[in-house]
Amino acid sequence: AQTVTQSQPEMSVQEAETVTLSCTYDTSESDYYLFWYKQPPSRQMILVIRQEAYKQQNATENRFSVNFQKAAKSFSLKISDSQLGDAAMYFCAYRSAGYSGAGSYQLTFGKGTKLSVIP
Amino acid sequence: DAGITQSPRHKVTETGTPVTLRCHQTENHRYMYWYRQDPGHGLRLIHYSYGVKDTDKGEVSDGYSVSRSKTEDFLLTLESATSSQTSVYFCAISELGNVAEAFFGQGTRLTVV
Repeated sequence: AQTVTQSQPEMSVQEAETVTLSCTYDTSESDYYLFWYKQPPSRQMILVIRQEAYKQQNATENRFSVNFQKAAKSFSLKISDSQLGDAAMYFCAYRSAGYSGAGSYQLTFGKGTKLSVIP
Repeated sequence: DAGITQSPRHKVTETGTPVTLRCHQTENHRYMYWYRQDPGHGLRLIHYSYGVKDTDKGEVSDGYSVSRSKTEDFLLTLESATSSQTSVYFCAISELGNVAEAFFGQGTRLTVV
């Protein structure tokens, strides 16, 4: 079974600064997807960024980028120019890409990192 | 936004009573999931469905059952609610292919007293 570990329960960043959230995972599969989801106080789960394991290039979405290290099984999220609206819980998640059964499409989540943004 | 609606959004119930949460989608996605979210645990999979009348257990399925009689509806039932089932419940949907990500409902906060 896959596991996802987020070792930082809480982090804080000054507005306009850069912060990096850590995520490691364990899997024996070679093909999979990794995600970062944001959960603001509204409770809505919002997809921030997606990475396909077969792609060597790190994904980028505006101020959000990842550092994907497949051999190290590491998937960190960098938030540049942090804004007050970035304050939220962030979840790292894993999903298998191979079809070995219907359950292969489920997401496995880390426990989350609560990010605070200081004005 | 993906068309996925959970009902109710909030519920308080007494220990021992049955409770049913509903997830309704308008996206015609094949896969539907129920997760629960608890502090310090992230989101954990309760049950999932891969088609009408096709369901299977997840990581924390004890005390829960599900049903899917139509593509668009996925019901989660707590047969006899316990205080340990106080949680926020999320429904999610996904589809095959390279889109990959799951779309989530707004969540249901369930309190068992």
